[in-house]
Amino acid sequence: DTAVSQTPKYLVTQMGNDKSIKCEQNLGHDTMYWYKQDSKKFLKIMFSYNNKELIINETVPNRFSPKSPDKAHLNLHINSLELGDSAVYFCASSPSIREQFFGPGTRLTVL
Amino acid sequence: GDSVTQMEGPVTLSEEAFLTINCTYTATGYPSLFWYVQYPGEGLQLLLKATKADDKGSNKGFEATYRKETTSFHLEKGSVQVSDSAVYFCALSDTTSGSRLTFGEGTQLTVNP
Repeated sequence: DTAVSQTPKYLVTQMGNDKSIKCEQNLGHDTMYWYKQDSKKFLKIMFSYNNKELIINETVPNRFSPKSPDKAHLNLHINSLELGDSAVYFCASSPSIREQFFGPGTRLTVL
Repeated sequence: GDSVTQMEGPVTLSEEAFLTINCTYTATGYPSLFWYVQYPGEGLQLLLKATKADDKGSNKGFEATYRKETTSFHLEKGSVQVSDSAVYFCALSDTTSGSRLTFGEGTQLTVNP
């Protein structure tokens, strides 16, 4: 009965590889997000989708591409991984412009 | 643009001590304000919220009052427990910034028995 789930929880990979992180929410929310949390715990929004349409696209390298196959899913694909991409990535969903519900996070380590 | 500033951490307290974590904000519209908590190895959980001036959010013994005159939303708890050890984030959602949350830097709280 998990509300917002992410897979995988941990991801360790080599520089230059391409990887994906999946996110699913079963709350019926219209809006989903991706956030990046760096080593100092600072959180910054990357993308937001509303009903499968991109509504927020922050200054993120175009190696990062979100994909929303339906309202309940928002996946994050990363090409040509770099050391600086190492972080914890959080997915979130929201029924409105206010409160957001977060997934457990995916810890990405690029070697 | 919108911004949130939290008191610098880390904060270390003894069990049953009084907690205050300061948070101030800058916003162009009429923001809603939030406190989120992140326990070790977990995602963020909403702790409390306030959507308009003078509202008080409360949950699990924590409280915060939306003060428009001082643009603040300080988090308080009268008696902390070891289980309150976590990172606390102040955040705002502004009507002019769409659906994004702007977070403060986070404050690490450690409560010792």
